[in-house]
Amino acid sequence: GAGVSQTPSNKVTEKGKYVELRCDPISGHTALYWYRQSLGQGPEFLIYFQGTGAADDSGLPNDRFFAVRPEGSVSTLKIQRTERGDSAVYLCASSRAGGGEQYFGPGTRLTVT
Amino acid sequence: QQPVQSPQAVILREGEDAVINCSSSKALYSVHWYRQKHGEAPVFLMILLKGGEQKGHEKISASFNEKKQQSSLYLTASQLSYSGTYFCGTERRTGFQKLVFGTGTRLLVSP
Repeated sequence: GAGVSQTPSNKVTEKGKYVELRCDPISGHTALYWYRQSLGQGPEFLIYFQGTGAADDSGLPNDRFFAVRPEGSVSTLKIQRTERGDSAVYLCASSRAGGGEQYFGPGTRLTVT
Repeated sequence: QQPVQSPQAVILREGEDAVINCSSSKALYSVHWYRQKHGEAPVFLMILLKGGEQKGHEKISASFNEKKQQSSLYLTASQLSYSGTYFCGTERRTGFQKLVFGTGTRLLVSP
């Protein structure tokens, strides 16, 4: 069966530009998570969806970051006015229900120049 | 708030054993263990939900001491494929959902 997929795999953008990162979770998984991982660090929680709603967005660093999951499946992480400090690998994970094992996608490597 | 893992790094010869520890300053509901190889996504190993619970499969097992807010991952008779960075992910209470990942332990198994 298909795992979690993320597109694009790599994204290079200029400072100040807007980017969208897409996550397609495992079919049937109702919970979806976004994490950010910097080199040599563990994943850092950004936001968690249960179905269509954001159940916990406490990890979003500021209001430049926003995520949606309009139909309870695919999710898009949106970053406005990108900054060089936003450069990282953005990981998406899904699980059957909140709190269970999470299955990670391959990530999107974002580089802001 | 981030769980602290020890050791930071370990080098083993194939067949040797290792223990990786994860300590939290906060009370925990569950601990998840993941292994990540360079340039790849973290891969789920196991989840421990109850204090004192010990789980395992094949030669990888783990324990969770709820009172001490600690978990340990045990790797026995290590294989080359065990190389990677190990992360614990902690959940503070049921329904809290988000995982707070530890500082990571880099493991290298050599022939």
